[in-house]
Amino acid sequence: EAGVAQSPRYKIIEKRQSVAFWCNPISGHATLYWYQQILGQGPKLLIQFQNNGVVDDSQLPKDRFSAERLKGVDSTLKIQPAKLEDSAVYLCASSPRGQISYNEQFFGPGTRLTVL
Amino acid sequence: KQEVTQIPAALSVPEGENLVLNCSFTDSAIYNLQWFRQDPGKGLTSLLLIQSSQREQTSGRLNASLDKSSGRSTLYIAASQPGDSATYLCAVVSGSARQLTFGSGTQLTVLP
Repeated sequence: EAGVAQSPRYKIIEKRQSVAFWCNPISGHATLYWYQQILGQGPKLLIQFQNNGVVDDSQLPKDRFSAERLKGVDSTLKIQPAKLEDSAVYLCASSPRGQISYNEQFFGPGTRLTVL
Repeated sequence: KQEVTQIPAALSVPEGENLVLNCSFTDSAIYNLQWFRQDPGKGLTSLLLIQSSQREQTSGRLNASLDKSSGRSTLYIAASQPGDSATYLCAVVSGSARQLTFGSGTQLTVLP
């Protein structure tokens, strides 16, 4: 079974530029998550999708971050414009079940973003 | 709001030692607790998952315990090896949306 795929693996941009990350979850997984992990900290949930609907985006900085999951499969996370404090690893995870279960999550390798 | 704390932040031990990593959480109303391993530049690998009704889980040299009422979990690693060097993250699933809340991790170094 293929794991969660993410691209690119690394990205370096200047502040105020835009950037987009892509995630392909494990086939058949209904729930998809985006996390931000700042160096030295644990991952923090940005947004959770159930199929192509948003379950929770309360910690997503909506003035600059956006995410979509078209057709309930792949997802993209965009930052526009980027700030220095957005430098982090962005992790995508997927889960085979919905909210009724304990949601064991499977993580991708992450995208390391550096904002200069 | 759920908060997860891991102590110590970093640990260095000689090869062969047994060691314990600690995790505490503020809201005991959890569905489960997971221990993850994270290698530099890599994603998270799930090591053990303990359901809220369970007391412990074992996998090879790893044993995780859960005391939900006191809000504590420990990860025991027996006969540590240099290949165990990584950051270990504890996370709990709680809340109506069954979300994962992570601790900041313990960076483990096993010296040959």
